[in-house]
Amino acid sequence: DAKTTQPPSMDCAEGRAANLPCNHSTISGNEYVYWYRQIHSQGPQYIIHGLKNNETNEMASLIITEDRKSSTLILPHATLRDTAVYYCIVRGFWGSGGSNYKLTFGKGTLLTVNP
Amino acid sequence: DGGITQSPKYLFRKEGQNVTLSCEQNLNHDAMYWYRQDPGQGLRLIYYSQIVNDFQKGDIAEGYSVSREKKESFPLTVTSAQKNPTAFYLCASLLKQGADNQPQHFGDGTRLSIL
Repeated sequence: DAKTTQPPSMDCAEGRAANLPCNHSTISGNEYVYWYRQIHSQGPQYIIHGLKNNETNEMASLIITEDRKSSTLILPHATLRDTAVYYCIVRGFWGSGGSNYKLTFGKGTLLTVNP
Repeated sequence: DGGITQSPKYLFRKEGQNVTLSCEQNLNHDAMYWYRQDPGQGLRLIYYSQIVNDFQKGDIAEGYSVSREKKESFPLTVTSAQKNPTAFYLCASLLKQGADNQPQHFGDGTRLSIL
């Protein structure tokens, strides 16, 4: 079962920053936070992941709170092509057994970027 | 370009017929996965394989079969025993070498429908 809570939908104006929240209050010390997005009728696209430090790549930034119970994915300058369902997923090291060999996707947040 | 190729993009099956979905990757990834996605839902794991000639059932394996004869290929057969096969099928792969927190990467999916 998914261990994360996300709002079902959000809107953002084109060119503005999109801040997508995720709650993962039961996260354990060895679990990472992964973000994917899925544009309609395509496969999920990996965006970013992190453990406890903030992370940034060419697509987005990931801010994780100090207690690690929540995180925010930031798309700094949203475009119309960023309209998608965004999934926040918590998972441990894939080699540590249990259910860590798979990703458990919830329903995610539908981000709509408006012109 | 390196990536995961799923074919065909659309597939139609008659009642009582087996069909095979193709998944090929040239990323030299070790592990491969099959997920199923139903409208408005998250992904559910069907089968996964961490090494050639070995695979394990996921959460919803009934009515499906797989093989892993080559590292690059992980075909999924939807058998006539699968009573509700209409869905979007996604293949993913993972590099197991190096860091233990590698993300899974996905293909663009095959949409299966029943005639």
